Amino acid sequence: EAGVTQFPSHSVIEKGQTVTLRCDPISGHDNLYWYRRVMGKEIKFLLHFVKESKQDESGMPNNRFLAERTGGTYSTLKVQPAELEDSGVYFCASSPWTSGKINEQYFGPGTRLTVT
Amino acid sequence: LAKTTQPISMDSYEGQEVNITCSHNNIATNDYITWYQQFPSQGPRFIIQGYKTKVTNEVASLFIPADRKSSTLSLPRVSLSDTAVYYCLVGDRARGRDDKIIFGKGTRLHILP
Repeated sequence: EAGVTQFPSHSVIEKGQTVTLRCDPISGHDNLYWYRRVMGKEIKFLLHFVKESKQDESGMPNNRFLAERTGGTYSTLKVQPAELEDSGVYFCASSPWTSGKINEQYFGPGTRLTVT
Repeated sequence: LAKTTQPISMDSYEGQEVNITCSHNNIATNDYITWYQQFPSQGPRFIIQGYKTKVTNEVASLFIPADRKSSTLSLPRVSLSDTAVYYCLVGDRARGRDDKIIFGKGTRLHILP
């Protein structure tokens, strides 16, 4: 079974540019989450999709971040315009709707975003 | 959500048993205890979960005393590849199985040859 994949693995952009991160969850997983870790900080929750619907977007830092999950499969996270403080590692995770364990999520390898 | 406290870092030698203790004094009745492992340049990976007493799988053991105010992750005979950050967290079953994860700082375990 393929795991969660993320693209790109690393992105370097200039301040003010736009970047789109992509996450492909494990096939059949209805839950999809985005997290990020900025330099020296803890991994922080951004938002949670159930299929194509946003279940919880309380962690989205501001309106420069836009997440979508059209069709309930893959998801994109767009940052527009990017700021220096957006640099960090963005993780995507997924879990099935009826996961047998609390808080059991499958994480991708992350996308390292560097804004210069 | 119950706050957890764990060591910032630990060093150990290959072949030893490593125990990482996590404190969660305010754990609620519905809370489960979960540990994640994160290797460098990878996402976190679920390794074990428990509610009380002892849980063992192919990766680790989890010891939870009767008062559940702490838990200990035990890694038997560690190798260099066990070098990682280990996160302890508690999750409320009542909130549902699909709730977001709140990560703390974790314990950075460094295995020495």
